[in-house]
Amino acid sequence: IAGITQAPTSQILAAGRRMTLRCTQDMRHNAMYWYRQDLGLGLRLIHYSNTAGTTGKGEVPDGYSVSRANTDDFPLTLASAVPSQTSVYFCASSPTVNQPQHFGDGTRLSIL
Amino acid sequence: AQSVAQPEDQVNVAEGNPLTVKCTYSVSGNPYLFWYVQYPNRGLQFLLKYITGDNLVKGSYGFEAEFNKSQTSFHLKKPSALVSDSALYFCAVRDPNRDDKIIFGKGTRLHILP
Repeated sequence: IAGITQAPTSQILAAGRRMTLRCTQDMRHNAMYWYRQDLGLGLRLIHYSNTAGTTGKGEVPDGYSVSRANTDDFPLTLASAVPSQTSVYFCASSPTVNQPQHFGDGTRLSIL
Repeated sequence: AQSVAQPEDQVNVAEGNPLTVKCTYSVSGNPYLFWYVQYPNRGLQFLLKYITGDNLVKGSYGFEAEFNKSQTSFHLKKPSALVSDSALYFCAVRDPNRDDKIIFGKGTRLHILP
């Protein structure tokens, strides 16, 4: 079934550790996004990529990095995790930036 | 800068009654507007969008939304609510004339009471 796959589905991580959240789509969408969802704050954009080979910063990029080496994959890395990065992380993609986004089912990350 | 507001954190509606989930926006130009729904432990799912054309937009699961430019609103509606409509609903806006990303509202939790 076409869509977005995120891994892992959940993770508990010690503060200071490095972590990469994986996101893969098989729809050949040009644009991809990473959001975090926190209670009372809705969805906030972390980083985005309008097309393979390019990335940009969203609303809350500090402490996170991304890469877009090819169309399908858009990993999100926490270089040194902190407790404030405890959240649910969603990856999304869209054919172009003006079209509706398709979302993965999220990664629930707890930083202790 | 563009922004979107969902003034109600929660809306309660009896099953069979009409429902409305409110959304207002602020952009400098003509907006692209979207509604998404989120069920527990799932990602957001696209419901409907307004780009141009008719102000009344029909979407998935019997939902519709009305674009009102003078009131800068894009309220989500359904004539007869189902218990299965209970979920978290997000409004989103993008200004196509600026290199801005889609901005999501904080979400409205819809409870349909049996």
